[in-house]
Amino acid sequence: DIQMTQSPSSLSASVGDRVTITCRASQSINNYLNWYQQKPGKAPKLLIYVTSNLQTGVPSRFSGGGSGTDFTLTINNLQPEDFATYYCQQSYGNSCSFGQGTKLEIK
Amino acid sequence: EVQLVQSGAEVKKPGESLRISCKGSGYGFTNYWISWVRQMPGKGLEWMGRIDPSDSYTIYSSSFQGHVTISADKSISTAYLQWSSLTASDTAMYYCAKVGDWDTTGTTWDYWGQGTLVTVSS
Repeated sequence: DIQMTQSPSSLSASVGDRVTITCRASQSINNYLNWYQQKPGKAPKLLIYVTSNLQTGVPSRFSGGGSGTDFTLTINNLQPEDFATYYCQQSYGNSCSFGQGTKLEIK
Repeated sequence: EVQLVQSGAEVKKPGESLRISCKGSGYGFTNYWISWVRQMPGKGLEWMGRIDPSDSYTIYSSSFQGHVTISADKSISTAYLQWSSLTASDTAMYYCAKVGDWDTTGTTWDYWGQGTLVTVSS
């Protein structure tokens, strides 16, 4: 099974900051890497699919990058509604797996 | 409007059976894989498996194979997740989710249900 490792596991930042979350796969996943945002008590929400494609309706301050085994989610100009937990997910092959999550908190 | 509406919270005893549901509307139910995802209290997301509602072809995560059964009834646009014998470790929130129009992998989801909380306690 492909293991996904996210870092950091938690992050404190201020409104207006730029933050980057990284995700590493245990093997190449051919760019089949997605990012989800989850707020307490809510279902996850797709932000980015296949490394860098912005899901419809997601603000352009969110962006994704990377290739092979190393990927990033960058949030520019943090807004109050962005404080949440973020998960990467690989969707390569017949199975899929998530990173352990990064909790983004207000400093 | 695309919606996935899940059945309500359940409280069960160890050893009991359970089936929870996920009803799709606002889109062609048989055209999109549906997955189930578990979230244990305070923990991360775990993919359990997926089903093609058009023919009920199912793929399970190795972690959940043999522990749960995923099924679908396309005549009523509903997918199911069921257990034959619950244990306390099944206590979790369970989400269903459908893949996006552009998806080629079967596991990239654009719409999610609201979640069903399952509590197993004696």
